[in-house]
Amino acid sequence: AQTVTQSQPEMSVQEAETVTLSCTYDTSESDYYLFWYKQPPSRQMILVIRQEAYKQQNATENRFSVNFQKAAKSFSLKISDSQLGDAAMYFCAYRSLLRGGSEKLVFGKGTKLTVNP
Amino acid sequence: DAGITQSPRHKVTETGTPVTLRCHQTENHRYMYWYRQDPGHGLRLIHYSYGVKDTDKGEVSDGYSVSRSKTEDFLLTLESATSSQTSVYFCAISKTGEDIQYFGAGTRLSVL
Repeated sequence: AQTVTQSQPEMSVQEAETVTLSCTYDTSESDYYLFWYKQPPSRQMILVIRQEAYKQQNATENRFSVNFQKAAKSFSLKISDSQLGDAAMYFCAYRSLLRGGSEKLVFGKGTKLTVNP
Repeated sequence: DAGITQSPRHKVTETGTPVTLRCHQTENHRYMYWYRQDPGHGLRLIHYSYGVKDTDKGEVSDGYSVSRSKTEDFLLTLESATSSQTSVYFCAISKTGEDIQYFGAGTRLSVL
């Protein structure tokens, strides 16, 4: 079974600075998806960014980018120019492709990000 | 917005009582999921559905049942609630042809 590990329970960053959240995963599959979700205090789960394992190019969405290292099974999230609104829990998630749309997401335990003004 | 509505948003109940949580979607997507979120565990899959009357168990399905009699509704039932089922419950949908799951706003359930 796949597992996702987020080794940093909490992180903090100064406003306008850059922070990197770590995620490692374990799988024997060669093709899969990886995601970062953000959960602000409102509790809503918001997709931040996704990465397809067969793509070598790292995904980027505005101030958010990933460093995907397939061989190392590492998927870190970099937030540039941090803003107060980035404060939230961040979850890394894995999704297999074996069974198409019925595949579940496997989540890490989350990293709580604090942004200091 | 994926058109997902969870009800109720908050519920307090007593041990041993039955509880049903509802997930409603407006876009007729095939795949629907129920997760629970607990501190220190992230989100874990309870049950999922891949069509009307087609459901399967997730990793933490004990004590839960589901039903899907219509495409738009996916119900999660706790037959006899226990304090260990105090949690935040999320419904999610997966759009056909997409690999992304979209989440509802969650239901906070407290079992006293």
